[in-house]
Amino acid sequence: NAGVTQTPKFQVLKTGQSMTLQCAQDMNHNSMYWYRQDPGMGLRLIYYSASEGTTDKGEVPNGYNVSRLNKREFSLRLESAAPSQTSVYFCASSEYEVPPYNEQFFGPGTRLTVL
Amino acid sequence: AQSVSQHNHHVILSEAASLELGCNYSYGGTVNLFWYVQYPGQHLQLLLKYFSGDPLVKGIKGFEAEFIKSKFSFNLRKPSVQWSDTAEYFCAVGNNDMRFGAGTRLTVKP
Repeated sequence: NAGVTQTPKFQVLKTGQSMTLQCAQDMNHNSMYWYRQDPGMGLRLIYYSASEGTTDKGEVPNGYNVSRLNKREFSLRLESAAPSQTSVYFCASSEYEVPPYNEQFFGPGTRLTVL
Repeated sequence: AQSVSQHNHHVILSEAASLELGCNYSYGGTVNLFWYVQYPGQHLQLLLKYFSGDPLVKGIKGFEAEFIKSKFSFNLRKPSVQWSDTAEYFCAVGNNDMRFGAGTRLTVKP
């Protein structure tokens, strides 16, 4: 049982390049999330998917798109990377979106640098 | 707008000292509160959570937190810290629209 996995672990992009961050969970969870973590700012929600087939914007969605490919997988795409998107990206999942089942389980993170 | 404030950015303690990390929130819906911990090089994991009932909740590794509705606070406590508690601690509030605080880095000196 791997929990939440993310690929890649590290990535360096040039401004304007695109890339997709992959996330998968094997806990049969319904809800999945993408966060970014920046020094002194904690984690900020980019997008979430409450259930398969739905996605919603979080606190900082600009510059990102997401796809809930199936129940297991939730990808985050940067269409045209900018230096402001340099960050550590975390994927998370939870059984349901409502308590008491909404404890979130986090992946190991992807460290992205945009030059 | 919902928000979470953690006023202590970096706390340095000696082993066996007591710990209290502050968390205040502003949230319009039903309050669901969490503390997460991120040990060096590891991903976030849940310490404890509060949904309803007894406002004093106990979590893993001897941590506890008290929900004080009148103060909009959910402070984290531990009576005696260990070197292994060195980590970053995040308070969070919400459901799908989870809001995290900026985090408090705890350094425990042996």
